[in-house]
Amino acid sequence: DADVTQTPRNRITKTGKRIMLECSQTKGHDRMYWYRQDPGLGLRLIYYSFDVKDINKGEISDGYSVSRQAQAKFSLSLESAIPNQTALYFCATSASGTGGNQPQHFGDGTRLSIL
Amino acid sequence: GEDVEQSLFLSVREGDSSVINCTYTDSSSTYLYWYKQEPGAGLQLLTYIFSNMDMKQDQRLTVLLNKKDKHLSLRIADTQTGDSAIYFCAESSNTGRRALTFGSGTRLQVQP
Repeated sequence: DADVTQTPRNRITKTGKRIMLECSQTKGHDRMYWYRQDPGLGLRLIYYSFDVKDINKGEISDGYSVSRQAQAKFSLSLESAIPNQTALYFCATSASGTGGNQPQHFGDGTRLSIL
Repeated sequence: GEDVEQSLFLSVREGDSSVINCTYTDSSSTYLYWYKQEPGAGLQLLTYIFSNMDMKQDQRLTVLLNKKDKHLSLRIADTQTGDSAIYFCAESSNTGRRALTFGSGTRLQVQP
């Protein structure tokens, strides 16, 4: 089983709909992240959480919200989806560590298309 | 803010060495990473290097770091067709967002 699981893997929806992407992990990591990937732009950080009570905005948080339901679960919501939110979305986790930096481990991604 | 840049495309022949380059701007970077993304998959951590090192070798992979020039490279020896993928350079630091900043990725094409 994958250590970082994202659901759904693919989703097509219409403009204005509310969408929730879910992420769960079995790695026991405290830190979780949501990124989006667009062609030619690499990955951009949407939100991150360093523990259940800690939520932080990333560089492109507008139009998104998150919920850290438990240490192992971090969901991303689009309250009213718009076409330019069509992208590949990744969840990642990392452990806490000395100096605050540990490698991030990624799920397989959710491909979201908004018509 | 932080910026990480990579060339977009590299083509090599099977059996040759591949060198993928990356430059970054954040002088407080503490860790630098290389990730591999195969089609339809997530990002797989290949290797990482701490900023006080200048080289790290792991089987066919060699990472070189020139901290003065803020230049990172990934060398893949004896490149195979299975190495065809997009390779992302990323950096993190103890300041700012405390998350990774990614380059736009280098697509490596290995020709038989």
